Amino acid sequence: DGGITQSPKYLFRKEGQNVTLSCEQNLNHDAMYWYRQDPGQGLRLIYYSQIVNDFQKGDIAEGYSVSREKKESFPLTVTSAQKNPTAFYLCASSIDLTVLYGYTFGSGTRLTVV
Amino acid sequence: KNQVEQSPQSLIILEGKNCTLQCNYTVSPFSNLRWYKQDTGRGPVSLTIMTFSENTKSNGRYTATLDADTKQSSLHITASQLSDSASYICVVSAGAAGNKLTFGGGTRVLVKP
Repeated sequence: DGGITQSPKYLFRKEGQNVTLSCEQNLNHDAMYWYRQDPGQGLRLIYYSQIVNDFQKGDIAEGYSVSREKKESFPLTVTSAQKNPTAFYLCASSIDLTVLYGYTFGSGTRLTVV
Repeated sequence: KNQVEQSPQSLIILEGKNCTLQCNYTVSPFSNLRWYKQDTGRGPVSLTIMTFSENTKSNGRYTATLDADTKQSSLHITASQLSDSASYICVVSAGAAGNKLTFGGGTRVLVKP
């Protein structure tokens, strides 16, 4: 079955640490996205990528970094520069950036700073 | 600024009853509107998608309506089941390519037996 796999499901980070969230898809989608979800707020776009080796900043990219070395993979690194990283992170993909056919979301990673 | 407002923030209903969730948006130029269901700790799953010319669409017990003139949408859940307990998110796409998405904050629904 095709889908998006995010790992880990839960992640704990100490102050000053960088952590990387994994996102893998086998849907053959060109576009991939990272969103952050906070309680009571709409999803906010962190980064998106249209093709391999290309990615663009979203609305809240500060303190985050991404890479797109393979079509299937779009890992997100939460750096120590992100001052309030505790949140639920969702990865999504779509056939292309037009999103005419909608998104497929992963199951999310909950990141907590300890 | 594009905005999507959902109401109520949360609601509790008894199993078997109906309920209606609201979504008001100020997104331009409008491309399409989607409703997603998100179970706790999971990613959102698409329920319906409507373009400008569509004013109603159903997916099982879920029926979405769209009034493009008043920029309002609703999601009606019929004969609620315990499995309907989730957050419901309204997402509006803007731009000619429909790739500028604005997410509502969601309505959390709890169905009680």
